[in-house]
Amino acid sequence: QKEVEQDPGPLSVPEGAIVSLNCTYSNSAFQYFMWYRQYSRKGPELLMYTYSSGNKEDGRFTAQVDKSSKYISLFIRDSQPSDSATYLCAMNSGGSNYKLTFGKGTLLTVNP
Amino acid sequence: GAVVSQHPSWVICKSGTSVKIECRSLDFQATTMFWYRQFPKQSLMLMATSNEGSKATYEQGVEKDKFLINHASLTLSTLTVTSAHPEDSSFYICSAKDNRAHGYTFGSGTRLTVV
Repeated sequence: QKEVEQDPGPLSVPEGAIVSLNCTYSNSAFQYFMWYRQYSRKGPELLMYTYSSGNKEDGRFTAQVDKSSKYISLFIRDSQPSDSATYLCAMNSGGSNYKLTFGKGTLLTVNP
Repeated sequence: GAVVSQHPSWVICKSGTSVKIECRSLDFQATTMFWYRQFPKQSLMLMATSNEGSKATYEQGVEKDKFLINHASLTLSTLTVTSAHPEDSSFYICSAKDNRAHGYTFGSGTRLTVV
């Protein structure tokens, strides 16, 4: 079993839809959770950073962490064509271990 | 916000030659930088952790003599792909942690094509 599982998609939605992206993980030591957006041939861009279980909202984006279920989600409201990208979840245990473990990434296309 | 600059953005080289990729933290000091490799439609694979003033820590299966990492200052890490072969063609990305902010900042990546 991989440490982080993420459905690679692809996921195609109409403009304005609510998008739900998810990752599961097996390492209970993971405490810090991130969502990155990566456009084709570019480096990943940090979207959301969360530490504790619960929800965190930033504009159209909401990150959700459920440590008891080892499950994290990213919701995108009112999706736009410019949201079309690959979304990667990433996590680590923090402290002296700074290495990030990534999911495979989900390719999202928002159709106008 | 934290900015990581990576150069070149793309490079084509002949088989057998060496290529150097630079990663700079522009507005913060980074004692640790990370080098990743990404194949098409796949996730990022950590190659090594670059530590300022000391040897890099390589992940299992990564040839340290082939992928030379130098982190000579708090703002610059370099990855040199030595004696490159077509199978080394990939997208290489660096990242660093700005302690003033959460998360890790990534460079824009370098697409290496070995012909």
